[in-house]
Amino acid sequence: AQKITQTQPGMFVQEKEAVTLDCTYDTSDPSYGLFWYKQPSSGEMIFLIYQGSYDQQNATEGRYSLNFQKARKSANLVISASQLGDSAMYFCAMSIVMEYGNKLVFGAGTILRVKS
Amino acid sequence: DVKVTQSSRYLVKRTGEKVFLECVQDMDHENMFWYRQDPGLGLRLIYFSYDVKMKEKGDIPEGYSVSREKKERFSLILESASTNQTSMYLCASSFLSSGSSYNEQFFGPGTRLTVL
Repeated sequence: AQKITQTQPGMFVQEKEAVTLDCTYDTSDPSYGLFWYKQPSSGEMIFLIYQGSYDQQNATEGRYSLNFQKARKSANLVISASQLGDSAMYFCAMSIVMEYGNKLVFGAGTILRVKS
Repeated sequence: DVKVTQSSRYLVKRTGEKVFLECVQDMDHENMFWYRQDPGLGLRLIYFSYDVKMKEKGDIPEGYSVSREKKERFSLILESASTNQTSMYLCASSFLSSGSSYNEQFFGPGTRLTVL
């Protein structure tokens, strides 16, 4: 069965430093995608970054990068130069391709707190 | 911008009541989803719909039903609310992905439901 594991319930990082949020996944499907979403205290889910299982290069979006290690089945999110506004819950998710569209399987999330 | 709206941000109901949570999207998306979010469990899929009047069970459908009479609207129904259905409920929508693993889901702001 497909599963996402986020082992860090909470993380602290000093402002302007980089932080890595861990995500491991389990699937036997050859085609899948990995997403990271940010959820601030206001509750909305904000899409950050995507990595496809066949993508050769690690995805990057501004200060966000995804460290994709396929053999280890890991898809860690790296946030560079942390800002106070990065304090939020972060979810890793995996897309599962189905006949009528994809569904997402989410991890439990990691709460990130950025200290000034 | 894609907009997904949910009928209420906060809702308080009594045990045994029938509860309707409404979700509307304005981007002509084929797929719509209902999740519940609980601390330590992340988001779990309750039901999804890939077309009008079509629905599929997710991972935790027990105690819930759904209705999709129009493409833009997807309703979650708690036939007889119970205290263990106290949770945050998130609606999402996406285009039909046609076999691609990339299928970003756009989320509504969530409804925090309390069942007393």
